[in-house]
Amino acid sequence: QKEVEQDPGPLSVPEGAIVSLNCTYSNSAFQYFMWYRQYSRKGPELLMYTYSSGNKEDGRFTAQVDKSSKYISLFIRDSQPSDSATYLCAAVNTGFQKLVFGTGTRLLVSP
Amino acid sequence: EAQVTQNPRYLITVTGKKLTVTCSQNMNHEYMSWYRQDPGLGLRQIYYSMNVEVTDKGDVPEGYKVSRKEKRNFPLILESPSPNQTSLYFCASSPTREAARNTIYFGEGSWLTVV
Repeated sequence: QKEVEQDPGPLSVPEGAIVSLNCTYSNSAFQYFMWYRQYSRKGPELLMYTYSSGNKEDGRFTAQVDKSSKYISLFIRDSQPSDSATYLCAAVNTGFQKLVFGTGTRLLVSP
Repeated sequence: EAQVTQNPRYLITVTGKKLTVTCSQNMNHEYMSWYRQDPGLGLRQIYYSMNVEVTDKGDVPEGYKVSRKEKRNFPLILESPSPNQTSLYFCASSPTREAARNTIYFGEGSWLTVV
Protein backbone atom coordinates (compact mmCIF):
# COMPACT_ATOMS: atom_id res chain seq x y z
CA GLN A 1 0.00 0.00 0.00
CA LYS A 2 1.34 3.41 -0.95
CA GLU A 3 1.69 5.85 1.93
CA VAL A 4 -0.13 8.55 -0.04
CA GLU A 5 -2.88 7.52 -2.46
CA GLN A 6 -4.33 9.70 -5.17
CA ASP A 7 -6.75 9.06 -8.03
CA PRO A 8 -4.88 9.64 -11.31
CA GLY A 9 -7.89 11.05 -13.17
CA PRO A 10 -8.15 12.72 -15.56
CA LEU A 11 -10.78 14.93 -14.02
CA SER A 12 -12.53 17.02 -16.67
CA VAL A 13 -14.60 20.05 -15.68
CA PRO A 14 -16.02 23.11 -17.46
CA GLU A 15 -14.59 26.55 -16.79
CA GLY A 16 -16.04 28.09 -13.64
CA ALA A 17 -16.69 24.78 -11.88
CA ILE A 18 -15.62 24.04 -8.33
CA VAL A 19 -12.97 21.34 -8.35
CA SER A 20 -12.27 18.93 -5.52
CA LEU A 21 -9.01 16.98 -5.55
CA ASN A 22 -8.39 14.39 -2.87
CA CYS A 23 -5.74 12.17 -1.32
CA THR A 24 -5.66 9.65 1.47
CA TYR A 25 -2.65 8.70 3.52
CA SER A 26 -1.80 5.84 5.82
CA ASN A 27 1.03 7.06 8.06
CA SER A 28 -0.08 8.76 11.27
CA ALA A 29 3.40 10.35 11.57
CA PHE A 30 2.61 12.76 8.73
CA GLN A 31 2.21 16.27 10.13
CA TYR A 32 2.69 18.60 7.17
CA PHE A 33 0.80 18.40 3.93
CA MET A 34 1.39 20.08 0.62
CA TRP A 35 -0.09 20.43 -2.82
CA TYR A 36 2.16 20.79 -5.84
CA ARG A 37 1.00 21.78 -9.31
CA GLN A 38 2.79 20.39 -12.34
CA TYR A 39 2.18 21.73 -15.82
CA SER A 40 2.95 19.54 -18.80
CA ARG A 41 6.68 19.22 -19.43
CA LYS A 42 7.52 21.24 -16.31
CA GLY A 43 8.68 20.51 -12.80
CA PRO A 44 6.27 20.55 -9.84
CA GLU A 45 5.83 23.84 -8.01
CA LEU A 46 4.49 24.33 -4.50
CA LEU A 47 0.90 25.54 -4.43
CA MET A 48 -0.33 25.18 -0.85
CA TYR A 49 1.08 24.09 2.48
CA THR A 50 -0.81 23.13 5.67
CA TYR A 51 0.15 21.88 9.09
CA SER A 52 -1.93 19.24 10.89
CA SER A 53 -5.71 19.45 10.58
CA GLY A 54 -7.73 22.40 9.33
CA ASN A 55 -8.20 24.65 6.33
CA LYS A 56 -5.96 27.08 4.56
CA GLU A 57 -7.16 29.47 1.88
CA ASP A 58 -5.17 31.27 -0.80
CA GLY A 59 -7.23 33.07 -3.41
CA ARG A 60 -9.29 30.53 -5.33
CA PHE A 61 -7.53 27.61 -3.63
CA THR A 62 -8.41 25.98 -0.30
CA ALA A 63 -6.44 23.13 1.23
CA GLN A 64 -8.09 20.97 3.85
CA VAL A 65 -6.67 18.25 6.08
CA ASP A 66 -8.72 15.85 8.18
CA LYS A 67 -6.27 13.86 10.28
CA SER A 68 -8.99 11.76 11.90
CA SER A 69 -9.84 10.23 8.52
CA LYS A 70 -6.37 10.73 6.98
CA TYR A 71 -7.86 12.72 4.13
CA ILE A 72 -6.31 15.65 2.23
CA SER A 73 -8.30 17.87 -0.12
CA LEU A 74 -7.67 20.75 -2.47
CA PHE A 75 -10.62 22.85 -3.64
CA ILE A 76 -10.39 25.19 -6.61
CA ARG A 77 -13.15 27.75 -7.01
CA ASP A 78 -14.05 29.34 -10.34
CA SER A 79 -11.69 26.99 -12.17
CA GLN A 80 -9.88 28.37 -15.21
CA PRO A 81 -8.34 26.66 -18.26
CA SER A 82 -4.96 27.77 -16.87
CA ASP A 83 -5.61 25.48 -13.88
CA SER A 84 -5.27 22.49 -16.22
CA ALA A 85 -2.32 20.58 -14.78
CA THR A 86 -1.43 17.59 -12.66
CA TYR A 87 -1.87 18.15 -8.94
CA LEU A 88 0.35 16.23 -6.57
CA CYS A 89 -0.39 15.90 -2.90
CA ALA A 90 2.53 15.31 -0.56
CA ALA A 91 3.04 14.61 3.10
CA VAL A 92 6.04 15.04 5.37
CA ASN A 93 7.24 12.48 7.84
CA THR A 94 8.93 14.90 10.22
CA GLY A 95 10.80 12.09 11.96
CA PHE A 96 12.71 11.30 8.80
CA GLN A 97 12.32 14.69 7.10
CA LYS A 98 11.03 12.77 4.13
CA LEU A 99 8.54 14.07 1.60
CA VAL A 100 6.18 11.42 0.24
CA PHE A 101 4.26 12.23 -2.94
CA GLY A 102 0.99 10.93 -4.29
CA THR A 103 0.96 9.89 -7.93
CA GLY A 104 -0.91 13.01 -9.04
CA THR A 105 -4.36 13.80 -10.43
CA ARG A 106 -4.59 15.26 -13.91
CA LEU A 107 -7.12 18.11 -14.13
CA LEU A 108 -8.54 19.39 -17.41
CA VAL A 109 -10.60 22.61 -17.37
CA SER A 110 -12.33 23.25 -20.65
CA PRO A 111 -13.34 26.76 -21.82
CA GLU B 1 15.80 34.55 -10.84
CA ALA B 2 15.81 31.45 -8.60
CA GLN B 3 16.46 28.45 -10.78
CA VAL B 4 17.27 24.78 -10.83
CA THR B 5 18.76 23.98 -14.23
CA GLN B 6 19.18 20.48 -15.53
CA ASN B 7 20.65 19.21 -18.78
CA PRO B 8 19.98 17.56 -21.09
CA ARG B 9 16.20 18.04 -21.18
CA TYR B 10 15.74 15.19 -23.64
CA LEU B 11 18.02 12.25 -24.31
CA ILE B 12 17.79 8.93 -26.09
CA THR B 13 20.67 6.60 -25.35
CA VAL B 14 21.58 2.95 -25.71
CA THR B 15 21.87 0.31 -23.03
CA GLY B 16 25.23 0.40 -21.27
CA LYS B 17 26.42 3.79 -22.49
CA LYS B 18 27.35 5.90 -19.48
CA LEU B 19 25.61 9.22 -19.18
CA THR B 20 25.47 12.15 -16.81
CA VAL B 21 22.56 14.48 -16.18
CA THR B 22 23.78 17.77 -14.77
CA CYS B 23 21.95 19.88 -12.20
CA SER B 24 22.80 23.34 -10.98
CA GLN B 25 20.99 25.70 -8.57
CA ASN B 26 21.63 29.41 -8.03
CA MET B 27 19.99 29.78 -4.61
CA ASN B 28 22.89 28.65 -2.39
CA HIS B 29 20.73 25.80 -1.13
CA GLU B 30 22.29 23.14 1.08
CA TYR B 31 19.90 20.33 0.20
CA MET B 32 19.64 18.84 -3.27
CA SER B 33 18.00 15.68 -4.52
CA TRP B 34 17.09 13.67 -7.58
CA TYR B 35 13.68 12.16 -8.30
CA ARG B 36 12.31 10.01 -11.03
CA GLN B 37 8.67 10.22 -12.07
CA ASP B 38 6.91 7.23 -13.61
CA PRO B 39 3.23 6.71 -14.50
CA GLY B 40 1.35 5.13 -11.62
CA LEU B 41 4.35 5.39 -9.31
CA GLY B 42 4.66 9.14 -8.90
CA LEU B 43 7.80 10.91 -7.76
CA ARG B 44 10.39 8.72 -6.08
CA GLN B 45 13.60 9.97 -4.57
CA ILE B 46 16.81 8.49 -5.99
CA TYR B 47 19.57 10.22 -4.02
CA TYR B 48 19.89 13.30 -1.89
CA SER B 49 22.66 15.50 -0.58
CA MET B 50 22.59 17.55 2.61
CA ASN B 51 25.69 19.53 1.70
CA VAL B 52 29.00 19.35 -0.14
CA GLU B 53 30.50 15.86 0.00
CA VAL B 54 27.45 14.53 1.91
CA THR B 55 25.18 12.24 -0.11
CA ASP B 56 22.80 9.42 0.74
CA LYS B 57 20.46 6.97 -0.91
CA GLY B 58 16.81 7.69 -1.40
CA ASP B 59 14.11 5.15 -2.16
CA VAL B 60 15.32 3.91 -5.55
CA PRO B 61 19.13 4.34 -5.75
CA GLU B 62 20.02 1.16 -7.68
CA GLY B 63 21.81 1.88 -10.94
CA TYR B 64 22.58 5.50 -10.11
CA LYS B 65 25.47 7.47 -8.68
CA VAL B 66 25.76 11.08 -7.56
CA SER B 67 28.44 13.46 -6.40
CA ARG B 68 28.41 16.84 -4.65
CA LYS B 69 31.78 18.51 -5.09
CA GLU B 70 30.36 22.02 -5.19
CA LYS B 71 27.33 23.41 -3.41
CA ARG B 72 25.56 24.48 -6.58
CA ASN B 73 26.01 21.26 -8.62
CA PHE B 74 24.59 17.79 -8.13
CA PRO B 75 25.04 15.55 -11.19
CA LEU B 76 23.24 12.24 -11.62
CA ILE B 77 25.33 9.50 -13.19
CA LEU B 78 24.04 6.37 -14.89
CA GLU B 79 27.11 4.17 -15.25
CA SER B 80 25.41 1.49 -17.35
CA PRO B 81 21.87 2.57 -18.25
CA SER B 82 19.19 -0.05 -18.76
CA PRO B 83 15.71 0.26 -20.32
CA ASN B 84 14.06 0.24 -16.86
CA GLN B 85 15.75 3.58 -16.23
CA THR B 86 13.68 5.16 -18.97
CA SER B 87 11.89 7.87 -17.02
CA LEU B 88 11.40 11.57 -16.35
CA TYR B 89 14.04 12.84 -13.95
CA PHE B 90 13.83 15.90 -11.73
CA CYS B 91 16.54 17.62 -9.79
CA ALA B 92 15.36 19.58 -6.76
CA SER B 93 16.83 21.85 -4.14
CA SER B 94 15.76 23.45 -0.86
CA PRO B 95 17.49 25.62 1.76
CA THR B 96 17.90 22.76 4.24
CA ARG B 97 16.79 19.19 4.68
CA GLU B 98 13.79 20.15 6.79
CA ALA B 99 11.09 19.09 4.38
CA ALA B 100 8.37 20.50 6.62
CA ARG B 101 9.75 24.03 6.66
CA ASN B 102 11.20 24.58 3.22
CA THR B 103 9.85 24.96 -0.27
CA ILE B 104 11.39 22.49 -2.65
CA TYR B 105 12.32 23.93 -6.04
CA PHE B 106 12.27 21.54 -8.97
CA GLY B 107 14.06 21.73 -12.27
CA GLU B 108 12.12 21.40 -15.50
CA GLY B 109 12.86 17.72 -15.90
CA SER B 110 14.99 15.49 -18.10
CA TRP B 111 13.27 12.96 -20.33
CA LEU B 112 15.55 9.94 -20.63
CA THR B 113 14.90 7.01 -22.94
CA VAL B 114 17.20 3.97 -22.84
CA VAL B 115 16.87 1.63 -25.82
